[in-house]
Amino acid sequence: GESVGLHLPTLSVQEGDNSIINCAYSNSASDYFIWYKQESGKGPQFIIDIRSNMDKRQGQRVTVLLNKTVKHLSLQIAATQPGDSAVYFCAEKVEAGTALIFGKGTTLSVSS
Amino acid sequence: ETGVTQSPTHLIKTRGQQVTLRCSSQSGHNTVSWYQQALGQGPQFIFQYYREEENGRGNFPPRFSGLQFPNYSSELNVNALELDDSALYLCASSLDRVAYGYTFGSGTRLTVV
Repeated sequence: GESVGLHLPTLSVQEGDNSIINCAYSNSASDYFIWYKQESGKGPQFIIDIRSNMDKRQGQRVTVLLNKTVKHLSLQIAATQPGDSAVYFCAEKVEAGTALIFGKGTTLSVSS
Repeated sequence: ETGVTQSPTHLIKTRGQQVTLRCSSQSGHNTVSWYQQALGQGPQFIFQYYREEENGRGNFPPRFSGLQFPNYSSELNVNALELDDSALYLCASSLDRVAYGYTFGSGTRLTVV
């Protein structure tokens, strides 16, 4: 079946740097994408989402970019802080589907 | 406004036993989706309940079953537990079956020995 994958399992950055987490998806019928943050012992926490009719969306310190031509999704975190350390998942929803399909996740480590 | 609450938080069961996990949805949400998250993996969709009926199911065997109650809370039942069922079980609530605006609970950590 189709699944969402991430390019790198781990990413280490210094506090204050900008972080970029990448995700490749394979289902061209996906119409909605979400980034989640998951801290140890907790459930996934919504960060930002984007629909397939957009190519960029900005939130507070975060930006999601969608490139449908190459089926690529990225999450940019500005001025990364130690509290941003967590596992980040991208997820997609196929049009008319009810479920989210998650990738394996990228572990972001931020050092001071 | 309360978020999604799951119980218990941790559970240890023996292979072959049965288990029931519980989820209370966020206030105002009428849809509950269950996911299984193995260690080091992303969550995998088990099924979704809307208005007390199953509304979509992932690639899980029939020994995974569920219920939704009139107050929109939900249960996940797993029969004949296997070692591979050890995982974090996540409940997410939303409105009207859609995946937009999912709110996840903190999960139930199930260990099968």
